Amino acid sequence: QKEVEQNSGPLSVPEGAIASLNCTYSDRGSQSFFWYRQYSGKSPELIMSIYSNGDKEDGRFTAQLNKASQYVSLLIRDSQPSDSATYLCAVKGTGNQFYFGTGTSLTVIP
Amino acid sequence: GAVVSQHPSRVICKSGTSVKIECRSLDFQATTMFWYRQFPKQSLMLMATSNEGSKATYEQGVEKDKFLINHASLTLSTLTVTSAHPEDSSFYICSARGGMETQYFGPGTRLLVL
Repeated sequence: QKEVEQNSGPLSVPEGAIASLNCTYSDRGSQSFFWYRQYSGKSPELIMSIYSNGDKEDGRFTAQLNKASQYVSLLIRDSQPSDSATYLCAVKGTGNQFYFGTGTSLTVIP
Repeated sequence: GAVVSQHPSRVICKSGTSVKIECRSLDFQATTMFWYRQFPKQSLMLMATSNEGSKATYEQGVEKDKFLINHASLTLSTLTVTSAHPEDSSFYICSARGGMETQYFGPGTRLLVL
């Protein structure tokens, strides 16, 4: 079992819709969770971090964390074509190591 | 967010030569730096983790004698690809972490070995 699992996609949503990206992790003791966005040919950039159960909102982005279910998600409201990218979920495990998912490719269709 | 730079951004070299890539944290002290490799349309692959002043920890399958990592200061880590071959052509990305939880990525170095 991989440490962090994501659906590779591709996920396609129409412009203006909500894009929902999901991630599960195996280390129950993990405390820190991150979402990165990677445009084709570029390096990842941090979008959000979340540490507590519940929702954390930043502009059009909402991260949701459920530690009991070992599940973290990213919602993108009012999706724009410029949101088309690969989204990477990262988890900092109890051993202080970072684990990245393989990423979900998102395409926002104008 | 914190700024991490990489140099060079792109390098083309002949097979058999060595290439050095620098990773710098510009506005924070990076106690830990990570080196990744990414092939086209594939996910990030962690190559090694380096802590300032100590030897790097390499992931399984990564040859430490081929990919030399030096983390001599809190703001600089270098990756040297020794005796590069065409199969080493890839996108090499570093990231850095200081006292905070978050990893910040450099812009990456695209290596092409002819």
